[in-house]
Amino acid sequence: NAGVTQTPKFQVLKTGQSMTLQCAQDMNHNSMYWYRQDPGMGLRLIYYSASEGTTDKGEVPNGYNVSRLNKREFSLRLESAAPSQTSVYFCASSDGRYKETQYFGPGTRLLVL
Amino acid sequence: SQQGEEDPQALSIQEGENATMNCSYKTSINNLQWYRQNSGRGLVHLILIRSNEREKHSGRLRVTLDTSKKSSSLLITASRAADTASYFCATDPVDNNNDMRFGAGTRLTVKP
Repeated sequence: NAGVTQTPKFQVLKTGQSMTLQCAQDMNHNSMYWYRQDPGMGLRLIYYSASEGTTDKGEVPNGYNVSRLNKREFSLRLESAAPSQTSVYFCASSDGRYKETQYFGPGTRLLVL
Repeated sequence: SQQGEEDPQALSIQEGENATMNCSYKTSINNLQWYRQNSGRGLVHLILIRSNEREKHSGRLRVTLDTSKKSSSLLITASRAADTASYFCATDPVDNNNDMRFGAGTRLTVKP
């Protein structure tokens, strides 16, 4: 099992460009999450999907959109990137009750110039 | 806003010593989890303790939870160089169905 995979590993964007971060899990988990991690801060939830077909905003959703394509895949889109979105982005998934143990991907480092 | 706050921010010890990290939080919780993050990697779940539990063990890890003080501690016994990582607590607030809240982490360095 690969667990949670994310692509790309690293990306440089110019202000105003758009991009989609991809995430997939092979553990048959119902719930998936997108977080961002900034220096000196813990992870902050951007969006989550408690089950296939549903998405909800987390703590910091502004500037992002998500798509739960199917049970395996959950993508995060930046429509018009801003320097404030420079961060490391983590995707995670969990089974059973929402907010139980989460399994994290390796992260995507995004630099917006 | 962050729910959990770890203390200390950084900890440096010698191999073989014990490491203790603390986490304080503000609101009532369903459970509290500890995660480890090696440099440049994703987080790895270590242990979950529910609000009605006071102590849990997993290998060299011991977690305590004091809901009256809204605090938790993570003890790593007989530390190894491989334990060098950042450790985060994450809380599941009772009054918020949307998300878990992570602290800023404790950076642990174990010197050989």
